[in-house]
Amino acid sequence: GAVVSQHPSRVICKSGTSVKIECRSLDFQATTMFWYRQFPKQSLMLMATSNEGSKATYEQGVEKDKFLINHASLTLSTLTVTSAHPEDSSFYICSARATSGVSDTQYFGPGTRLTVL
Amino acid sequence: RKEVEQDPGPFNVPEGATVAFNCTYSNSASQSFFWYRQDCRKEPKLLMSVYSSGNEDGRFTAQLNRASQYISLLIRDSKLSDSATYLCVVNPRGSQGNLIFGKGTKLSVKP
Repeated sequence: GAVVSQHPSRVICKSGTSVKIECRSLDFQATTMFWYRQFPKQSLMLMATSNEGSKATYEQGVEKDKFLINHASLTLSTLTVTSAHPEDSSFYICSARATSGVSDTQYFGPGTRLTVL
Repeated sequence: RKEVEQDPGPFNVPEGATVAFNCTYSNSASQSFFWYRQDCRKEPKLLMSVYSSGNEDGRFTAQLNRASQYISLLIRDSKLSDSATYLCVVNPRGSQGNLIFGKGTKLSVKP
């Protein structure tokens, strides 16, 4: 199946710093990438939808100025958590949907575990 | 009513058992349905799509009842490696929509 990578897989940072997470589709082009967050024992919650070449669409309650998303190419989307705080500690997962619009299959990256001290 | 609701679990079953998971969804116009599997501290992985006619993949059988807005997953002859959290996932709008995840049902298969 299609492969999506995320980097870094794990990051520990101090409160107030910014953290950038990269999501890459390795063997297909993705016009749309999604960013999710999952707290312990909770379901995945969609944070934002990222479309190549346009502004991301954020879900209600997600601060766009805090979670900056850039989708500069068909294979790369980045999520930057600005001025991170301990409550931002979570498992961040991206997914990518192939450009062939017939299928709605999303392929998930391995996730990034963020711990803010 | 939550968009996607699942059995709370956990399910603790012996090897070889048959186990069934249920899921209901609130949006009657939903178009695509899936079961994903998520191992501890890992990303979700697609287990199977769910079709109106029902579909089977080896020991796994998925069924959809649109009238009742109900999805099920049956696992036969459980293996230790089946231990994971099973996520019921709905896409309300098809190819242009976003996936809505249930909280998941944890399955633990014991020797």
